[in-house]
Amino acid sequence: QVQLVQSGAEVRKPGASVKVSCKASGYSIGKSVIHWVRQAPGQRLEWMGWITPGNGNTRYSQRFQGRDTITWDRSASTAYMELSSLTSEDTAIYFCAREVLGPLDYWGQGTLVTVSS
Amino acid sequence: EIVLTQSPGTVSLSPGERATLSCRTSQSLSSSYLAWYQQKPGQAPRLLIYGASSRATGIPDRFSGSGSGTDFTLTISSLEPEDFAVYYCQQYGSSPRTFGQGTKVEIK
Repeated sequence: QVQLVQSGAEVRKPGASVKVSCKASGYSIGKSVIHWVRQAPGQRLEWMGWITPGNGNTRYSQRFQGRDTITWDRSASTAYMELSSLTSEDTAIYFCAREVLGPLDYWGQGTLVTVSS
Repeated sequence: EIVLTQSPGTVSLSPGERATLSCRTSQSLSSSYLAWYQQKPGQAPRLLIYGASSRATGIPDRFSGSGSGTDFTLTISSLEPEDFAVYYCQQYGSSPRTFGQGTKVEIK
């Protein structure tokens, strides 16, 4: 079955970076897109960007002004989202999700990233 | 960027009642590229509806979606206890892929 399994919770200090992983299995990965979406406490879902595992193409939300980088490790079937120059406003749950034909049909369990001095 | 506005913010209903949730977009969506998700506390969102009106795999038929252009609706015909949650709409026709702010369906 389709599974997206994310790495565990992280705590970082302001100014640091964090890298969250999302291991995909159970489907034909080459025909999908992996998205990253975050949710700050009590806030709406916020789309961050996507990567196409088949060719490595990426697209990002301009809101993050180049602070986020999404990569794909083909050998590990794992997507990574790295966010740099963290501030307290980046404290959120970060989700990866699969797209095959538009909507996000499978989601990872989420990774809590806490930014605190 | 397409802005999605959901209403109401919170609706209080009893099990068995009908829920009608609205999502308005700031620009007309091409090919009705609109999805609805359900999110319960501590869980990831779950896809309910895509293409404005198509139910995702395994979604009960009490959930239905309608609309086109800039006005979309999610209807839950008869609320079950497990339906009390937050519902988000999302457009996936253009980048960035934006979400509404959510509607909370709470038990009255």
